[in-house]
Amino acid sequence: GAVVSQHPSWVICKSGTSVKIECRSLDFQATTMFWYRQFPKQSLMLMATSNEGSKATYEQGVEKDKFLINHASLTLSTLTVTSAHPEDSSFYICSARDPSGGGTGELFFGEGSRLTVL
Amino acid sequence: DAKTTQPPSMDCAEGRAANLPCNHSTISGNEYVYWYRQIHSQGPQYIIHGLKNNETNEMASLIITEDRKSSTLILPHATLRDTAVYYCIVRIGSNYKLTFGKGTLLTVNP
Repeated sequence: GAVVSQHPSWVICKSGTSVKIECRSLDFQATTMFWYRQFPKQSLMLMATSNEGSKATYEQGVEKDKFLINHASLTLSTLTVTSAHPEDSSFYICSARDPSGGGTGELFFGEGSRLTVL
Repeated sequence: DAKTTQPPSMDCAEGRAANLPCNHSTISGNEYVYWYRQIHSQGPQYIIHGLKNNETNEMASLIITEDRKSSTLILPHATLRDTAVYYCIVRIGSNYKLTFGKGTLLTVNP
């Protein structure tokens, strides 16, 4: 199946710093990618939809100035957590659709990136 | 997208079939049933999806009732590596924004 890769898989940073997480589709072009956040023992929550060449669409309650999303190419979307604080510590996961899957094609997920803010 | 209801947890013996139920009584005619699973500290993995016919692939089988109000994911021979949270999601095929519920934690025991 299609492969989506995230980097880094885990990161520890100091409070107040910014952290960038990359999401790459390795063997297909993804015009749309999705970013999720997952707190311990909870389900995944959609944060935003990343659209290649245009602004991301954020879900209600997600601060767009804090979670900057850039989708500059068909294979790469980045999520930057700006001025991170301990409450931003979470598991961040991206997903992308393989267009070759047709109209009901499945979404492929990255391995996730665990952010710990000290 | 329609809401789904799944049991919070299930146990299964290794080598036996695992049958995971999902209720989606408000599903509409153009919504598909998708199953994903998430092994601890990993991203979700696609398993299977269907509209109204039963589906089978190398991982699992999906049985959808005739009225489409419920479905069952079947792992025919569960292994320890199948221990994971299984999510049943219904969505319109063209809508790729997935809404995850709490899923079912399947524990496969030796």
